[in-house]
Amino acid sequence: GAGVSQSPSNKVTEKGKDVELRCDPISGHTALYWYRQSLGQGLEFLIYFQGNSAPDKSGLPSDRFSAERTGGSVSTLTIQRTQQEDSAVYLCASSLDGPLDTQYFGPGTRLTVL
Amino acid sequence: RKEVEQDPGPFNVPEGATVAFNCTYSNSASQSFFWYRQDCRKEPKLLMSVYSSGNEDGRFTAQLNRASQYISLLIRDSKLSDSATYLCVVNRNSGNTPLVFGKGTRLSVIA
Repeated sequence: GAGVSQSPSNKVTEKGKDVELRCDPISGHTALYWYRQSLGQGLEFLIYFQGNSAPDKSGLPSDRFSAERTGGSVSTLTIQRTQQEDSAVYLCASSLDGPLDTQYFGPGTRLTVL
Repeated sequence: RKEVEQDPGPFNVPEGATVAFNCTYSNSASQSFFWYRQDCRKEPKLLMSVYSSGNEDGRFTAQLNRASQYISLLIRDSKLSDSATYLCVVNRNSGNTPLVFGKGTRLSVIA
């Protein structure tokens, strides 16, 4: 079946602009995660959605970052007033039922802030 | 102390060699442990879960030492295709809490 998809695959933007990154999880997966990975660094957890529960936003680095998940499926990560340090690969993952299940990652969106 | 620590490597080993990676974690309440594999410029993929009693999947063996709070991954008879970064992953606490990913250990298997 189809895996996790993300769009766009690459995004180049100017400092100060807002960007939206999209994630389509695997159908039927109740849990969805956003991570970011800077060059040569590990994965940094950003936010986690589980079913209809309030999302775990504990990893969001600042109030410029927000995410929503509509209808329990597609998710959008929004970064307002982008800064150069926001440049990274943003990875989305989904799992069937929570973090203890296998997380399937999308190919990521490579964000470059000029 | 970092939540999850790994030796970044790189480990450069010849084909057929046995190589072992260790990973330490700081939260004694962690209950679930995994090894993920990430190829260059690709997304991470689950390699194997780590069970208390240790587990084996073909050439790969994972072990957990709760007393010392470390996890290990052993790869026997290394193949060129094993070249990748291996990520140690731990959950923060029991229950549905986010996973913490280590920065990874880079392995290069050389012909």
